[in-house]
Amino acid sequence: QVQLQESGPGLVKPSETLSLTCAVSGYSISSGYYWGWIRQPPGKGLEWIASINHFGSTYYNPSLKSRVTISLDTSKNQVSLRLSSVTAADTAVYYCARGLAFDYWGQGTLVTVSS
Amino acid sequence: EIVLTQSPATLSLSPGERATLSCRASQSVSSYLAWHQQKPGQAPRLLIYDASNRATGIPARFSGSGSGTDFTLTISSLEPEDFAVYYCQQRSNWPYTFGQGTKLEIK
Repeated sequence: QVQLQESGPGLVKPSETLSLTCAVSGYSISSGYYWGWIRQPPGKGLEWIASINHFGSTYYNPSLKSRVTISLDTSKNQVSLRLSSVTAADTAVYYCARGLAFDYWGQGTLVTVSS
Repeated sequence: EIVLTQSPATLSLSPGERATLSCRASQSVSSYLAWHQQKPGQAPRLLIYDASNRATGIPARFSGSGSGTDFTLTISSLEPEDFAVYYCQQRSNWPYTFGQGTKLEIK
């Protein structure tokens, strides 16, 4: 059974860099599939942030591209996301998900940007 | 960027009734459209992929149809656990986009 588990700092100060990790179990990320990050501000809808395939090709939402980096750590079977220069508008639940249609999702991790 | 517009924003129905949710794309997405269900406090769950294919473990009362710019998610007979928010999502073009959601509530 494929499982995804996000982890992150919970609270980040404005202008700092947010770093999130998605630990994948039940599937080797180096075997295939795309892996993505999606976020959801409190009470709002879903926003796709970025995706990466097992070759390391990356795709970013243009609205965030200048601040976002997605990467794979195949040795740890993890997918990572870095978001720089955060503001209150980046407060959201961050999800990782597998594939192009997002067939498996993590449970999400809430990140609050506040001083 | 492809904009997905869902209608209605809120749908009020009773258990046992039929639900029809719509998603319209600002340009053709071929059949590369998915539907996700989200319950309060939970992660989204994939219901339908590529417009009409049920994901693993999804009950047969859920069906999807459409191609190009107009898509429909139908729930043939509502169960109490089906009341949730539903999002459509396209994977035809980067950046991937989601609709704003339809809230299916108990009447």
